[in-house]
Amino acid sequence: DVKVTQSSRYLVKRTGEKVFLECVQDMDHENMFWYRQDPGLGLRLIYFSYDVKMKEKGDIPEGYSVSREKKERFSLILESASTNQTSMYLCASRDSGRAGETQYFGPGTRLLVL
Amino acid sequence: QKEVEQNSGPLSVPEGAIASLNCTYSDRGSQSFFWYRQYSGKSPELIMFIYSNGDKEDGRFTAQLNKASQYVSLLIRDSQPSDSATYLCAVNPDYKLSFGAGTTVTVRA
Repeated sequence: DVKVTQSSRYLVKRTGEKVFLECVQDMDHENMFWYRQDPGLGLRLIYFSYDVKMKEKGDIPEGYSVSREKKERFSLILESASTNQTSMYLCASRDSGRAGETQYFGPGTRLLVL
Repeated sequence: QKEVEQNSGPLSVPEGAIASLNCTYSDRGSQSFFWYRQYSGKSPELIMFIYSNGDKEDGRFTAQLNKASQYVSLLIRDSQPSDSATYLCAVNPDYKLSFGAGTTVTVRA
């Protein structure tokens, strides 16, 4: 079974803090993704990575950066957290770039920025 | 226009009935279509995928795809209280998935 883990289930941070969210997958997947999920807006793609040290912006990259130094690990960084970044953050991984491959999600990190 | 749109819900069905969920998409080049189920406070889990026009059945779930009309649907037969969740439609127009906002289903005992 594919396993995607995220470093924290719940996180409370203050405005202006730098926040690191970490995601690890154990299936040697090439592609990894970061989404945020908000009520009524669904899942929105922040960044994705198709290989080590490679990244591409998704639909809402502003205020975020990412790092992928190792294949199994994909980190999301909030450079200076703001209250509008309070959300559920979901990491996902997928085996390859073929269109048919599905994504497997981690358990999510619920972030509250005060 | 959103890339993927789902019927807004919430959808309330009695136990044992059929729940019907619809999804339309805008990119005609889309090749792969997925249904995820998400329980409250949990992450999405894949329940069905479909690539070809027609029906695909898996237990109590049937996915239907019509590429000419650009819609995909999910039927849940013999609905159970454990089916109460939000169902996300996802479409794969290129190398990443586009998700609908989800339809919340409540199965009344």
